[in-house]
Amino acid sequence: AQTVTQSQPEMSVQEAETVTLSCTYDTSENNYYLFWYKQPPSRQMILVIRQEAYKQQNATENRFSVNFQKAAKSFSLKISDSQLGDTAMYFCAFMKRIQGAQKLVFGQGTRLTINP
Amino acid sequence: NAGVTQTPKFRVLKTGQSMTLLCAQDMNHEYMYWYRQDPGMGLRLIHYSVGEGTTAKGEVPDGYNVSRLKKQNFLLGLESAAPSQTSVYFCASSFLRGLNNEQFFGPGTRLTVL
Repeated sequence: AQTVTQSQPEMSVQEAETVTLSCTYDTSENNYYLFWYKQPPSRQMILVIRQEAYKQQNATENRFSVNFQKAAKSFSLKISDSQLGDTAMYFCAFMKRIQGAQKLVFGQGTRLTINP
Repeated sequence: NAGVTQTPKFRVLKTGQSMTLLCAQDMNHEYMYWYRQDPGMGLRLIHYSVGEGTTAKGEVPDGYNVSRLKKQNFLLGLESAAPSQTSVYFCASSFLRGLNNEQFFGPGTRLTVL
C-alpha cells in the first residue's frame, strides 16, 4: 500500500529564516509523481511544487525547493527566506494510479507558522 | 475563469437529513474528484469520475453517492447524514489522465452533522 508520512505536526520559524518540512512515502512503483500542497487559513489547496520520480534533479519554484531522495523514499520541502504569507498547512502527496484515473494520497500535514 | 467552485461553503445538518454538494469547473476537465478532510489527516478520496456519465468509488465511499450528468458538474450526495460525515469536503478536477497532471481544488465545503 502506498502511504505518505509527515512526521512534524507543527513547525514555527521566524520570518526570513529557512525551514525544511519532512515527508517520507512508501511505494512499489517505479515511476510516480510527488507533490507539496499548501493550505492557508482560507482552506484553498494550492500546488507548491511537484517532482517526477525519474528526474534526478530536484524541483525548484522560486523560494521553494525539494530534496528528493528516491532510494530513501524521502521528499522534503525547503522554504527559503520565509514570509508571513507562508503560514499554512503543508501537505505532501503521492500520485497513485487507480482504475481509469489517478488519485492523490496525502500525508497528515504539517502546520507551519512564520513569526514576525 | 472561475476554476473549481463549490456550493454551499458551509452547511449544518441534523442526523438523518439529506443534502447535495455541487462542484462545478469551467476548465473543460475530464476528471473530477471528491475528497474529505478530517482533523489530523490529509484528504481522502470519496468518489471520482473520468468523464460525463461515469463515476467510481474511491477510498471512503460509504454513505455517499455521486453523479456526473454534465461534464462540468460533479454532485456529491448524502442520503442520510451521520455525525461521522462531519468534515470539510473538497472537489478537484484535472485535465488528462497522467501522474503529472495537477489537480485543481475548489475552496471546500464545511459540513457539520449534529
